[in-house]
Amino acid sequence: SAVISQKPSRDICQRGTSLTIQCQVDSQVTMMFWYRQQPGQSLTLIATANQGSEATYESGFVIDKFPISRPNLTFSTLTVSNMSPEDSSIYLCSVAQGDGYTFGSGTRLTVV
Amino acid sequence: KQEVTQIPAALSVPEGENLVLNCSFTDSAIYNLQWFRQDPGKGLTSLLLIQSSQREQTSGRLNASLDKSSGRSTLYIAASQPGDSATYLCAVRGVTSGSARQLTFGSGTQLTVLP
Repeated sequence: SAVISQKPSRDICQRGTSLTIQCQVDSQVTMMFWYRQQPGQSLTLIATANQGSEATYESGFVIDKFPISRPNLTFSTLTVSNMSPEDSSIYLCSVAQGDGYTFGSGTRLTVV
Repeated sequence: KQEVTQIPAALSVPEGENLVLNCSFTDSAIYNLQWFRQDPGKGLTSLLLIQSSQREQTSGRLNASLDKSSGRSTLYIAASQPGDSATYLCAVRGVTSGSARQLTFGSGTQLTVLP
């Protein structure tokens, strides 16, 4: 199965700044998915990233706040922009693997 | 819109006990259902995947069942161990266009196995 390397594993950031999260997959995949997990909540899909086209955002998420890059079939980044304490969450990337999904190890973000 | 519910939200059991975690979903038109484990502050580890045509899947001490018509799945953990302590999430994959590759997650069951 695919192995996803996600960085950073955690970070503490000042409000108003931005953080870029990276995911590297050890095989080529068509789509990569970015999720947010707020404290005590389940996972919510932020966007789907396709190589060579703009990401598709879910309701409630906008590109200006969560810009995504997908320069090739093995790599993607998610930026959390102009952060506020409400952005404190775990962010996860995922890829479809056969009929199931594989997830990265997550980025635990705390905004102070 | 698919909704996934997991009961109980939290469960604490003594070591060695067999236990069942429940997952229910509102739309039976699913492609498959996947159980995950999440340790605190970490990512998700896939445990079992059940296709919509299957009734159950087993891996070691874990057994997952699926009753698509009633919108239910259970995860059975035999002879629980303290290392099983984690949050268990079920996720349903839809079949309709636009969501064909999307997962809908339950809110999870936080399991604590006491030594």
